[in-house]
Amino acid sequence: QVQLVESGGGVVQPGGSLRLSCAASGFTFSNYGMHWVRQAPGKGLEWVAFIRYDGSIKHYTDSVRGRFTISRDNSKNTLDMQMNSLRAEDTSVYYCAKFRLERASDGFDIWGQGTMVTVSS
Amino acid sequence: EIVVTQSPATLSVSPGERATLSCRASQSVSSNLAWYQQKPGQAPRLLIYGASTRATGIPARFSGSGSETEFTLTISSLQSEDFAVYYCQQYNNWPPLTFGGGTKVEIK
Repeated sequence: QVQLVESGGGVVQPGGSLRLSCAASGFTFSNYGMHWVRQAPGKGLEWVAFIRYDGSIKHYTDSVRGRFTISRDNSKNTLDMQMNSLRAEDTSVYYCAKFRLERASDGFDIWGQGTMVTVSS
Repeated sequence: EIVVTQSPATLSVSPGERATLSCRASQSVSSNLAWYQQKPGQAPRLLIYGASTRATGIPARFSGSGSETEFTLTISSLQSEDFAVYYCQQYNNWPPLTFGGGTKVEIK
């Protein structure tokens, strides 16, 4: 079935780094733009980053630009996000998600289960 | 950046009653708006896209309406499994994609 599975979360000190991964299955991964969305404890949803289906375009929310890098490997059906210079305010559950439509903006129809990132000394 | 505002923050409703949730965008998003349901400890689930089209498997008691800047999610007769937090999200003009702050639907 269509599935996204995140991994790589954990506890890291302020200023540290972490790499998240998202494994996709059940759909043609290379046809879809992919996103990371996060949710701080007890808070709402915040879009973090996007990568075009072919990796040629990337977008970031202002608060992570220059610190986070989104990437993908279409041969392995995986989405990654390298997170550097982590701050306490980056503490969140991180979800990978896909648009409902191929190569077009839409709602997110598939979400992973989420992976928790805690930034604390 | 398009700011999306949801109201009310909390809605207390009895089972079987109708719930009406509002979402407002700071500028027109046409019909490029989605609604999600999120239960504790779970990922969000897509309910509505294109402002009014139910996603696959979503019961008919959920309906979306509106366009431009004003949108509504209506749950016609609340079931026990519908008590959750609901988010709207615009995808008309991005980056950034923006979500509303959420409406918690709780049992009255």
